[in-house]
Amino acid sequence: ETGVTQTPRHLVMGMTNKKSLKCEQHLGHNAMYWYKQSAKKPLELMFVYSLEERVENNSVPSRFSPECPNSSHLFLHLHTLQPEDSALYLCASSHLMGDPYEKLFFGSGTQLSVL
Amino acid sequence: DAKTTQPNSMESNEEEPVHLPCNHSTISGTDYIHWYRQLPSQGPEYVIHGLTSNVNNRMASLAIAEDRKSSTLILHRATLRDAAVYYCILRDGGAGNMLTFGGGTRLMVKP
Repeated sequence: ETGVTQTPRHLVMGMTNKKSLKCEQHLGHNAMYWYKQSAKKPLELMFVYSLEERVENNSVPSRFSPECPNSSHLFLHLHTLQPEDSALYLCASSHLMGDPYEKLFFGSGTQLSVL
Repeated sequence: DAKTTQPNSMESNEEEPVHLPCNHSTISGTDYIHWYRQLPSQGPEYVIHGLTSNVNNRMASLAIAEDRKSSTLILHRATLRDAAVYYCILRDGGAGNMLTFGGGTRLMVKP
């Protein structure tokens, strides 16, 4: 148990569906992250929030829309996804953003399949 | 960003020490060396980090070469639970640097 909880653990959706992934942390951290892990590829950073403000968006398609309503919760809203978006989506948090000695705490991820 | 090079996979026997190497020949003076591991069906978890000196914690030891161009993660007694992908990552001391993952080393532990 890392203190970072992601729901759902598994999600199957059609290309025309709209769904949301949820991440919650009770560690008192101020930074939250979304990563994507496709099969046989390294983890890719998608979005970073610090103190509820988005500070990084790594050229992610607009069909992925993040939301950070408070420092404990992070959402990833999904709409009109493509089959190649099927992947493990991981949420992480850290006390501060960007410090070189900061540890990131990851959730177990949501395994997404787009049909 | 300075990059790291790790073997794709390694094998170990249970209850024996494991030395996981990482080369980072272009490391800068302000880069911290971090190690994370990812167990099957889990997100990555922090293992250890260091700057210049060797480091020990309850999970592992980190040995850093004197010129800092390489490092080694040492698991003192491998267990089956240590089977995972181990990532060696450099984090710049400059503000705003993010954690960027490479391919890592898949460690297999044989009983």
